Amino acid sequence: KNQVEQSPQSLIILEGKNCTLQCNYTVSPFSNLRWYKQDTGRGPVSLTIMTFSENTKSNGRYTATLDADTKQSSLHITASQLSDSASYICVVTILTGGGNKLTFGTGTQLKVEL
Amino acid sequence: EAQVTQNPRYLITVTGKKLTVTCSQNMNHEYMSWYRQDPGLGLRQIYYSMNVEVTDKGDVPEGYKVSRKEKRNFPLILESPSPNQTSLYFCASRHYRAPNEKLFFGSGTQLSVL
Repeated sequence: KNQVEQSPQSLIILEGKNCTLQCNYTVSPFSNLRWYKQDTGRGPVSLTIMTFSENTKSNGRYTATLDADTKQSSLHITASQLSDSASYICVVTILTGGGNKLTFGTGTQLKVEL
Repeated sequence: EAQVTQNPRYLITVTGKKLTVTCSQNMNHEYMSWYRQDPGLGLRQIYYSMNVEVTDKGDVPEGYKVSRKEKRNFPLILESPSPNQTSLYFCASRHYRAPNEKLFFGSGTQLSVL
Protein backbone atom coordinates (compact mmCIF):
# COMPACT_ATOMS: atom_id res chain seq x y z
CA LYS A 1 0.00 0.00 0.00
CA ASN A 2 1.33 3.41 -0.95
CA GLN A 3 1.80 5.48 2.17
CA VAL A 4 3.40 8.73 3.29
CA GLU A 5 4.13 9.09 6.99
CA GLN A 6 5.27 12.28 8.66
CA SER A 7 6.83 12.96 12.03
CA PRO A 8 6.48 14.51 14.44
CA GLN A 9 2.73 15.03 14.36
CA SER A 10 3.18 18.41 16.04
CA LEU A 11 6.05 20.57 17.16
CA ILE A 12 6.49 23.75 19.17
CA ILE A 13 9.70 25.78 18.88
CA LEU A 14 10.91 29.21 19.89
CA GLU A 15 11.29 31.96 17.34
CA GLY A 16 14.77 31.99 15.82
CA LYS A 17 15.39 28.29 16.37
CA ASN A 18 15.86 25.69 13.63
CA CYS A 19 13.78 22.57 13.20
CA THR A 20 13.59 19.48 10.98
CA LEU A 21 10.48 17.67 9.86
CA GLN A 22 10.55 14.09 8.61
CA CYS A 23 8.74 12.24 5.86
CA ASN A 24 8.98 8.50 5.11
CA TYR A 25 7.22 6.96 2.16
CA THR A 26 6.54 3.57 0.65
CA VAL A 27 5.21 4.91 -2.63
CA SER A 28 6.22 3.19 -5.86
CA PRO A 29 6.95 3.93 -8.66
CA PHE A 30 8.23 7.28 -7.46
CA SER A 31 8.02 10.42 -9.59
CA ASN A 32 8.68 13.32 -7.24
CA LEU A 33 8.34 14.49 -3.66
CA ARG A 34 6.85 17.84 -2.68
CA TRP A 35 6.65 19.81 0.51
CA TYR A 36 3.72 22.14 1.03
CA LYS A 37 2.98 24.74 3.69
CA GLN A 38 -0.65 25.08 4.74
CA ASP A 39 -1.75 27.98 6.90
CA THR A 40 -4.85 27.34 9.01
CA GLY A 41 -7.98 27.46 6.85
CA ARG A 42 -6.03 28.09 3.64
CA GLY A 43 -4.94 26.02 0.67
CA PRO A 44 -1.51 24.37 0.63
CA VAL A 45 1.29 26.35 -1.00
CA SER A 46 4.22 24.64 -2.71
CA LEU A 47 7.64 24.99 -1.04
CA THR A 48 9.82 22.52 -2.94
CA ILE A 49 9.59 19.78 -5.54
CA MET A 50 12.34 17.14 -5.86
CA THR A 51 12.72 14.41 -8.44
CA PHE A 52 14.50 11.10 -7.96
CA SER A 53 17.88 12.51 -8.92
CA GLU A 54 17.79 15.52 -6.61
CA ASN A 55 19.18 15.27 -3.09
CA THR A 56 18.41 18.74 -1.85
CA LYS A 57 16.34 21.77 -2.80
CA SER A 58 16.15 25.14 -1.06
CA ASN A 59 13.55 27.85 -0.97
CA GLY A 60 14.73 30.69 1.25
CA ARG A 61 14.91 29.43 4.83
CA TYR A 62 13.39 26.09 3.81
CA THR A 63 15.69 23.26 2.71
CA ALA A 64 14.36 19.87 1.69
CA THR A 65 16.46 16.74 1.35
CA LEU A 66 15.65 13.46 -0.32
CA ASP A 67 17.19 10.03 0.08
CA ALA A 68 15.52 7.91 -2.57
CA ASP A 69 17.33 4.76 -1.42
CA THR A 70 15.88 4.86 2.09
CA LYS A 71 12.69 6.61 0.91
CA GLN A 72 13.07 9.43 3.37
CA SER A 73 12.83 13.19 3.09
CA SER A 74 13.29 16.01 5.54
CA LEU A 75 12.35 19.66 5.59
CA HIS A 76 14.71 21.91 7.55
CA ILE A 77 13.55 25.35 8.61
CA THR A 78 16.27 27.80 9.57
CA ALA A 79 15.88 30.76 11.92
CA SER A 80 12.17 30.18 12.39
CA GLN A 81 9.69 33.06 12.36
CA LEU A 82 6.19 33.37 13.81
CA SER A 83 4.85 33.24 10.25
CA ASP A 84 6.27 29.73 9.87
CA SER A 85 3.48 28.48 12.15
CA ALA A 86 1.52 26.19 9.84
CA SER A 87 1.01 22.59 8.81
CA TYR A 88 3.75 21.16 6.58
CA ILE A 89 2.62 18.44 4.24
CA CYS A 90 4.80 15.92 2.42
CA VAL A 91 3.35 14.74 -0.89
CA VAL A 92 4.74 11.94 -3.05
CA THR A 93 3.80 11.57 -6.69
CA ILE A 94 3.34 8.12 -8.18
CA LEU A 95 3.97 7.55 -11.86
CA THR A 96 0.80 6.34 -13.57
CA GLY A 97 -0.23 5.87 -17.17
CA GLY A 98 -2.96 8.47 -17.15
CA GLY A 99 -1.98 11.39 -14.98
CA ASN A 100 0.30 11.07 -11.99
CA LYS A 101 -1.29 10.35 -8.62
CA LEU A 102 -0.43 12.28 -5.47
CA THR A 103 -0.30 10.64 -2.05
CA PHE A 104 -0.48 13.09 0.85
CA GLY A 105 0.94 12.78 4.33
CA THR A 106 -1.16 13.96 7.26
CA GLY A 107 1.20 16.85 7.97
CA THR A 108 3.30 18.17 10.83
CA GLN A 109 1.69 21.02 12.75
CA LEU A 110 4.41 23.53 13.60
CA LYS A 111 3.93 26.32 16.10
CA VAL A 112 6.57 29.01 16.53
CA GLU A 113 6.38 30.94 19.78
CA LEU A 114 8.06 34.04 21.16
CA GLU B 1 -2.52 37.26 -10.62
CA ALA B 2 -2.37 33.48 -11.18
CA GLN B 3 -4.88 31.82 -8.94
CA VAL B 4 -7.45 29.14 -8.29
CA THR B 5 -10.72 30.60 -7.05
CA GLN B 6 -13.28 28.61 -5.09
CA ASN B 7 -16.72 29.69 -3.99
CA PRO B 8 -18.24 29.80 -1.51
CA ARG B 9 -15.65 29.98 1.25
CA TYR B 10 -18.09 28.65 3.85
CA LEU B 11 -21.31 26.72 3.32
CA ILE B 12 -23.83 25.29 5.76
CA THR B 13 -26.58 23.14 4.33
CA VAL B 14 -29.01 20.40 5.29
CA THR B 15 -29.03 16.75 4.35
CA GLY B 16 -30.33 16.13 0.85
CA LYS B 17 -30.23 19.68 -0.48
CA LYS B 18 -28.23 19.74 -3.70
CA LEU B 19 -25.27 22.10 -3.80
CA THR B 20 -22.45 23.12 -6.11
CA VAL B 21 -19.01 24.39 -5.19
CA THR B 22 -17.41 26.32 -8.01
CA CYS B 23 -13.75 26.31 -8.98
CA SER B 24 -12.08 28.47 -11.58
CA GLN B 25 -8.43 28.90 -12.62
CA ASN B 26 -6.84 31.58 -14.80
CA MET B 27 -3.59 29.77 -15.67
CA ASN B 28 -4.84 27.79 -18.69
CA HIS B 29 -4.13 24.55 -16.82
CA GLU B 30 -5.29 21.30 -18.36
CA TYR B 31 -5.35 19.34 -15.09
CA MET B 32 -7.83 20.15 -12.32
CA SER B 33 -8.70 18.19 -9.22
CA TRP B 34 -10.87 18.18 -6.11
CA TYR B 35 -9.72 17.08 -2.66
CA ARG B 36 -11.28 16.82 0.75
CA GLN B 37 -9.35 17.29 3.97
CA ASP B 38 -10.50 15.79 7.26
CA PRO B 39 -8.81 15.95 10.69
CA GLY B 40 -6.14 13.28 11.07
CA LEU B 41 -6.28 12.34 7.41
CA GLY B 42 -4.21 13.58 4.49
CA LEU B 43 -5.89 15.26 1.57
CA ARG B 44 -7.86 12.72 -0.41
CA GLN B 45 -8.66 13.08 -4.06
CA ILE B 46 -12.32 13.06 -5.04
CA TYR B 47 -12.26 13.57 -8.81
CA TYR B 48 -9.81 14.88 -11.35
CA SER B 49 -9.88 16.09 -14.92
CA MET B 50 -7.04 15.99 -17.42
CA ASN B 51 -8.76 18.25 -19.91
CA VAL B 52 -12.15 19.50 -21.14
CA GLU B 53 -14.78 16.74 -21.10
CA VAL B 54 -12.27 14.30 -19.52
CA THR B 55 -12.94 13.41 -15.88
CA ASP B 56 -12.11 10.43 -13.69
CA LYS B 57 -12.65 9.19 -10.16
CA GLY B 58 -10.12 9.72 -7.43
CA ASP B 59 -9.92 7.82 -4.16
CA VAL B 60 -13.21 8.95 -2.58
CA PRO B 61 -15.71 9.76 -5.39
CA GLU B 62 -18.89 8.39 -3.77
CA GLY B 63 -21.58 11.04 -3.36
CA TYR B 64 -19.90 13.56 -5.66
CA LYS B 65 -20.16 14.60 -9.29
CA VAL B 66 -18.03 16.89 -11.43
CA SER B 67 -18.13 18.37 -14.90
CA ARG B 68 -15.52 19.99 -17.15
CA LYS B 69 -17.32 21.83 -19.91
CA GLU B 70 -14.75 24.62 -20.06
CA LYS B 71 -11.02 24.54 -19.43
CA ARG B 72 -11.08 27.10 -16.64
CA ASN B 73 -14.02 25.73 -14.58
CA PHE B 74 -14.39 22.50 -12.62
CA PRO B 75 -17.45 22.55 -10.35
CA LEU B 76 -18.03 19.97 -7.62
CA ILE B 77 -21.63 18.85 -7.24
CA LEU B 78 -23.20 17.14 -4.24
CA GLU B 79 -26.56 15.87 -5.43
CA SER B 80 -27.78 14.76 -1.99
CA PRO B 81 -25.32 15.85 0.70
CA SER B 82 -24.99 13.82 3.88
CA PRO B 83 -23.34 14.68 7.21
CA ASN B 84 -20.29 12.52 6.39
CA GLN B 85 -19.51 14.97 3.59
CA THR B 86 -18.86 17.70 6.15
CA SER B 87 -15.27 18.58 5.33
CA LEU B 88 -12.82 21.14 4.01
CA TYR B 89 -12.68 20.99 0.23
CA PHE B 90 -9.88 22.15 -2.05
CA CYS B 91 -9.71 22.58 -5.77
CA ALA B 92 -6.29 22.46 -7.46
CA SER B 93 -4.81 22.79 -10.93
CA ARG B 94 -1.58 22.41 -12.88
CA HIS B 95 -0.32 21.86 -16.43
CA TYR B 96 -0.99 18.24 -17.32
CA ARG B 97 2.10 17.47 -19.35
CA ALA B 98 4.47 18.66 -16.63
CA PRO B 99 4.21 16.26 -13.66
CA ASN B 100 6.94 18.13 -11.79
CA GLU B 101 5.10 21.40 -11.98
CA LYS B 102 3.54 23.01 -8.96
CA LEU B 103 0.00 22.13 -8.04
CA PHE B 104 -1.89 25.34 -7.25
CA PHE B 105 -4.61 25.13 -4.63
CA GLY B 106 -7.65 27.28 -4.01
CA SER B 107 -8.34 28.75 -0.58
CA GLY B 108 -10.79 26.05 0.36
CA THR B 109 -14.50 25.63 1.02
CA GLN B 110 -15.58 24.63 4.52
CA LEU B 111 -18.79 22.63 4.12
CA SER B 112 -21.07 21.64 6.99
CA VAL B 113 -23.98 19.30 6.30
CA LEU B 114 -26.54 19.21 9.11
